[in-house]
Amino acid sequence: EAQVTQNPRYLITVTGKKLTVTCSQNMNHEYMSWYRQDPGLGLRQIYYSMNVEVTDKGDVPEGYKVSRKEKRNFPLILESPSPNQTSLYFCASSLLGRGSPLHFGNGTRLTVT
Amino acid sequence: AQSVTQLDSHVSVSEGTPVLLRCNYSSSYSPSLFWYVQHPNKGLQLLLKYTSAATLVKGINGFEAEFKKSETSFHLTKPSAHMSDAAEYFCVVTFSGGYQKVTFGIGTKLQVIP
Repeated sequence: EAQVTQNPRYLITVTGKKLTVTCSQNMNHEYMSWYRQDPGLGLRQIYYSMNVEVTDKGDVPEGYKVSRKEKRNFPLILESPSPNQTSLYFCASSLLGRGSPLHFGNGTRLTVT
Repeated sequence: AQSVTQLDSHVSVSEGTPVLLRCNYSSSYSPSLFWYVQHPNKGLQLLLKYTSAATLVKGINGFEAEFKKSETSFHLTKPSAHMSDAAEYFCVVTFSGGYQKVTFGIGTKLQVIP
């Protein structure tokens, strides 16, 4: 089954403790991206990647890191999480090209205390 | 620069009546436009997309949207609301020919009253 898999679904952590949220897709998509969803703000793009070893900042990259060493994986890293990073996070992937829709994971709800 | 404005944060309709969710966009380039739906505690699912072919786009579950360049709008409609349509809907714009930036509207929560 074609899918984007995020793990974990729920994560509670403390300020400053490094964490990684994994994202994997099995559709051979070139494009992958991360979003955070906050009430009243919709989804905002954190980082995106057009291909292996090619990443770029979205609208809200501060406090986050990503890497794209393999085509299928695009982990999101929070080196020193803070409470303002408490949010619902989505990973998505797509083919490159006009009109290619995004395929979303089921989300990771992160709470930083 | 590009932006998306969803004009209503909440819309409430009675079951069986028409649905209208409004979206206006701005983009320096020819846009690709999408509507996604998010049911509670779920990821986002594509409803429909516009990429410069027909201006009236049909999607899943009876939804349609019309691209109006002169009004920079891409409103989502459905003739008759069903209880299962209750969800949050997002209008999305991307650059033509690439995905350097993907911009979401803030979302419209649709309530369907029995």
